[in-house]
Amino acid sequence: SAVISQKPSRDICQRGTSLTIQCQVDSQVTMMFWYRQQPGQSLTLIATANQGSEATYESGFVIDKFPISRPNLTFSTLTVSNMSPEDSSIYLCSVGQGLYNEQFFGPGTRLTVL
Amino acid sequence: GENVEQHPSTLSVQEGDSAVIKCTYSDSASNYFPWYKQELGKRPQLIIDIRSNVGEKKDQRIAVTLNKTAKHFSLHITETQPEDSAVYFCAASKGSNYQLIWGAGTKLIIKP
Repeated sequence: SAVISQKPSRDICQRGTSLTIQCQVDSQVTMMFWYRQQPGQSLTLIATANQGSEATYESGFVIDKFPISRPNLTFSTLTVSNMSPEDSSIYLCSVGQGLYNEQFFGPGTRLTVL
Repeated sequence: GENVEQHPSTLSVQEGDSAVIKCTYSDSASNYFPWYKQELGKRPQLIIDIRSNVGEKKDQRIAVTLNKTAKHFSLHITETQPEDSAVYFCAASKGSNYQLIWGAGTKLIIKP
C-alpha cells in the first residue's frame, strides 16, 4: 500500500485562527478522503477530494469552514478555518487504492483549539 | 439515511478464546465491507475486507462472513492474543460508491 504522511502531526491553536493540514502520498491516487475522529469515537467523513474536480462535502460540513485543495494526484490539503474548541479532534486523510479502492489512512493530525 | 450498526461496543475475552464482532447495514446497494483495527494513538489499519459476491473470507486467524439477505457481516478472530487488543471498526460502501459508512467501533480487550 502507499506511504501516506500528514503534516503537522499535532498542533495547538487559538480560537479564530486557521490551520492547514497537508496529506502527501508516495504514489498517484485518484481518490482522497478527509475524516474527523473525536477521541473514543468513530470516523466521520468530511469530504471526498478527487483530483481535477471540486471536493464533495458530507452533510454538516461546508467549504467555507473546511476548504480543500487537491492540486495533483499525490497531495491534498484540508484547512480548518475560524477554529473553535469544538474543532479539537484528530483529522485523518485516506487514499483509495487497489482494484476496489480500498482505503488506507495517514497517521493523523491531532488538533487542539484553545 | 444509510447507517451501520456495530455490536458489541466492548468485548472482553480470555487470551486464546475466539472473538466475534457483528455489524448490520441498511443500504442494500452496499457491495464492499472492510474491517479496520485501530490501536491507541495509531491510524486505522485495514485488516480484512469482503465483497458482496463472496460469503466468507479468511486470513490466518481472522475471518469475515457476509449474509446479504439479512444485511449482516461479522468479524471472527480465533486464538486471540494480547496484540489483538484494539478498537475494531466495520464499514460498508455507500451503495456502489467508494465512500464508506462506518460502524461505531468495538473495543476488544484480551485478558491474559
